[in-house]
Amino acid sequence: QVQLVESGGGLVKPGGSLTLSCAASGFTLSDYYMGWVRQAPGKGLEWISHITGSRQTRFYAGSVKGRFTISRDNARNSLYLQMDSLRVEDTAVYYCARVVVGATGVFDCWGQGTLVTVSS
Amino acid sequence: DIVMTQSPDSLAVSLGERATINCKSSQSVLYSSNNKNYLAWYQQKPGQPPKLLIYWASTREPGVPDRFRGSGSGTDFTLTIGSVQAEDVAVYYCQQYYSVPYAFGQGTNLEIK
Repeated sequence: QVQLVESGGGLVKPGGSLTLSCAASGFTLSDYYMGWVRQAPGKGLEWISHITGSRQTRFYAGSVKGRFTISRDNARNSLYLQMDSLRVEDTAVYYCARVVVGATGVFDCWGQGTLVTVSS
Repeated sequence: DIVMTQSPDSLAVSLGERATINCKSSQSVLYSSNNKNYLAWYQQKPGQPPKLLIYWASTREPGVPDRFRGSGSGTDFTLTIGSVQAEDVAVYYCQQYYSVPYAFGQGTNLEIK
């Protein structure tokens, strides 16, 4: 079945870096756009980035632009989020999600999430 | 940037009754060239990731019960749960995907009265 599994979360100091990974299975990653959505503790959802398929065009929320980099390795069925210059306000559960074909921005399959805590 | 505002923030409904959640966008999410509303609804239960319910404002995702109905156009949208079941207790979010940055509403917490 379709599955997304995130990894790489943890505790990091402000100004530090972290790379999240998302392993996809049950479907061909290259056929889909993919994205990351985060949720701060007790708060709502925030779209932060997505990446298209073959051309790998990238889009970012203003809150992370210039600090986060989304990438994908279709051969490894994996999606990544490189996070630099982390801030306390980046503390959240980060979800990897698959985009509905033909409806860019709609996410039909989500991982369980990985928690990133930014604290000194 | 488009801002999404949901109402109410919280809703308590008796089992079997109808629940209505409203969502308003700060600008139209109706794309005139294809006459589609770029609006989705998600359900999030405690400790779980969100689940897609509806997109294009009214298209149900396969497997979603038909008691979930999306309606509206332009800037005003509604998610209606026709007969609330115990398993519908969750937070519901609307989301616009008309333009980047894609934005979610603040969420509506549905409880059983």
